[in-house]
Amino acid sequence: ETGVTQTPRHLVMGMTNKKSLKCEQHLGHNAMYWYKQSAKKPLELMFVYNFKEQTENNSVPSRFSPECPNSSHLFLHLHTLQPEDSALYLCASSQGWDRASEKLFFGSGTQLSVL
Amino acid sequence: GESVGLHLPTLSVQEGDNSIINCAYSNSASDYFIWYKQESGKGPQFIIDIRSNMDKRQGQRVTVLLNKTVKHLSLQIAATQPGDSAVYFCAENNKDSSYKLIFGSGTRLLVRP
Repeated sequence: ETGVTQTPRHLVMGMTNKKSLKCEQHLGHNAMYWYKQSAKKPLELMFVYNFKEQTENNSVPSRFSPECPNSSHLFLHLHTLQPEDSALYLCASSQGWDRASEKLFFGSGTQLSVL
Repeated sequence: GESVGLHLPTLSVQEGDNSIINCAYSNSASDYFIWYKQESGKGPQFIIDIRSNMDKRQGQRVTVLLNKTVKHLSLQIAATQPGDSAVYFCAENNKDSSYKLIFGSGTRLLVRP
């Protein structure tokens, strides 16, 4: 186990549904991340939170809404998604965003299918 | 622009042989590199990292080599085992990317018994 837990592991939703992805890290880290992993594409950074403050929004559509209530928990709220949003959504954490050699620790991801 | 890419999308090796996975990067200012392993159904797992002031770094059965002259990074796995079958990603960061990790597309390693 990496110390980063994501739920649910799998999610199927319709385009009109609202759902949330959850991530929890037990590593005492201060930074948390959401990545999108699509088939045959490199990992895409979506959001970064450092000490609960959002420091990065990588031009993500507003139908994805992150929430970071504390340094250990991260959510991704989903609404009115499109089929092309189907992907593996990975959460990661690291000690802190300002360091130049940050190792990311990933969860196992949520495999999302939008019908 | 910045890009990190892999030469071989799939590498097949015999169990017990050594594996070499290659990665090219385009930004000469990159100063930190990292390799991840992703097994089916799991998230990427840290393997080894290296800073630009080093040419080589060794871990347990793995070695990362950095050639800054040709902007090339490689991961060597000694005595490859079935459990090494996975997709391997290289990633880099630099000041230009605000130290955000830039990931390559990945190479799939298949270990033949």
